[in-house]
Amino acid sequence: DAGVIQSPRHEVTEMGQEVTLRCKPISGHDYLFWYRQTMMRGLELLIYFNNNVPIDDSGMPEDRFSAKMPNASFSTLKIQPSEPRDSAVYFCASRTTRQGTGELFFGEGSRLTVL
Amino acid sequence: AQKITQTQPGMFVQEKEAVTLDCTYDTSDPSYGLFWYKQPSSGEMIFLIYQGSYDQQNATEGRYSLNFQKARKSANLVISASQLGDSAMYFCAMREGNRDDKIIFGKGTRLHILP
Repeated sequence: DAGVIQSPRHEVTEMGQEVTLRCKPISGHDYLFWYRQTMMRGLELLIYFNNNVPIDDSGMPEDRFSAKMPNASFSTLKIQPSEPRDSAVYFCASRTTRQGTGELFFGEGSRLTVL
Repeated sequence: AQKITQTQPGMFVQEKEAVTLDCTYDTSDPSYGLFWYKQPSSGEMIFLIYQGSYDQQNATEGRYSLNFQKARKSANLVISASQLGDSAMYFCAMREGNRDDKIIFGKGTRLHILP
């Protein structure tokens, strides 16, 4: 089975531009999480969805960040306008509570650099 | 308030020795789960081991074991017979078994295995 798929893997953009990160979770998983990783702050939970519904977005830094999950197989994280401090690796992860330990399966991450 | 604490930012260990990576957590929920992840320099997040709060025995997976001390709210990862390939960042994470099912991570410990 395919794992969690994120795109793009790398994004370099200029301050003020819109950035859209994409994620395809593992089929059948009912939870999807977005995390941001930086050296200073570690792995921060931004938002997570259950059955496509946002459950907790308290980690979203500010109104410039938004996330959607229009269906069970696709989610986006959008930053508009982007700022240099948004530079980080953004991970998407999915999990199922129906079997196993319910661990998170991570994508390979999207490395964002805002100049 | 930080709910997952990893007090060792970095560790150096001789190859073939056992390693203990510390993790303490804070929750008032009686139902929760604890996870450990490995992040090598290539950046992917690899699930290692899981412990449920109601599990009677400490979890083990090959060379990995979890020293779960519920009263102390401690969930240390033990790696036996360390190998050079164990050099990586290690993260402890917790899922609180409330309605929201959020999973949050500690800051991580960078482990260096010396030949």
